Amino acid sequence: SQTIHQWPATLVQPVGSPLSLECTVEGTSNPNLYWYRQAAGRGLQLLFYSVGIGQISSEVPQNLSASRPQDRQFILSSKKLLLSDSGFYLCAWSKAKGDIQYFGAGTRLSVL
Amino acid sequence: AQSVAQPEDQVNVAEGNPLTVKCTYSVSGNPYLFWYVQYPNRGLQFLLKYITGDNLVKGSYGFEAEFNKSQTSFHLKKPSALVSDSALYFCAVRTSASKIIFGSGTRLSIRP
Repeated sequence: SQTIHQWPATLVQPVGSPLSLECTVEGTSNPNLYWYRQAAGRGLQLLFYSVGIGQISSEVPQNLSASRPQDRQFILSSKKLLLSDSGFYLCAWSKAKGDIQYFGAGTRLSVL
Repeated sequence: AQSVAQPEDQVNVAEGNPLTVKCTYSVSGNPYLFWYVQYPNRGLQFLLKYITGDNLVKGSYGFEAEFNKSQTSFHLKKPSALVSDSALYFCAVRTSASKIIFGSGTRLSIRP
């Protein structure tokens, strides 16, 4: 069966520090991968999605970047965190674009 | 523009009563519709989907959803609510470009 791992679960970082959040999927190959941000337990904002290694689409301009160095690994990064980067970050995968998405447990990021 | 709307921020229901969480959509072509549930500090979990066929779709945890083409709605229902059903519920729609758009979420609260 397929599983998705996302870590860390919580993270507290000072303003201006770098960020690296990692997501890996097991049990499937060539998944579509997604990074979302959820503010205050409400709606989801799609940040990035990837249909293959090295292929990243950015949905909104921001202080963050994403990379996909391996087929089942998706990394969310920032060189310098802003206060506004605080939130709940969710990674997800799907077999195909527009298909059911399966979510990781999320990372709660607090930038202080 | 293609969109999905959840008109209620919060729904309150007594345990044992039926519940309905509303969703309306606007897409080009045939709609692909989804419901997800999110428990506190967790990722979203897929509940059910509609692609084609019967207008009443059955999903996990006793939930079902009714597709109504004329009203462009896909309301989530359960005949008898449980306290454990308390969570945040998201409706989602697949656009003609095969992107998934999530609604803003409805917080369901079941009182004992």
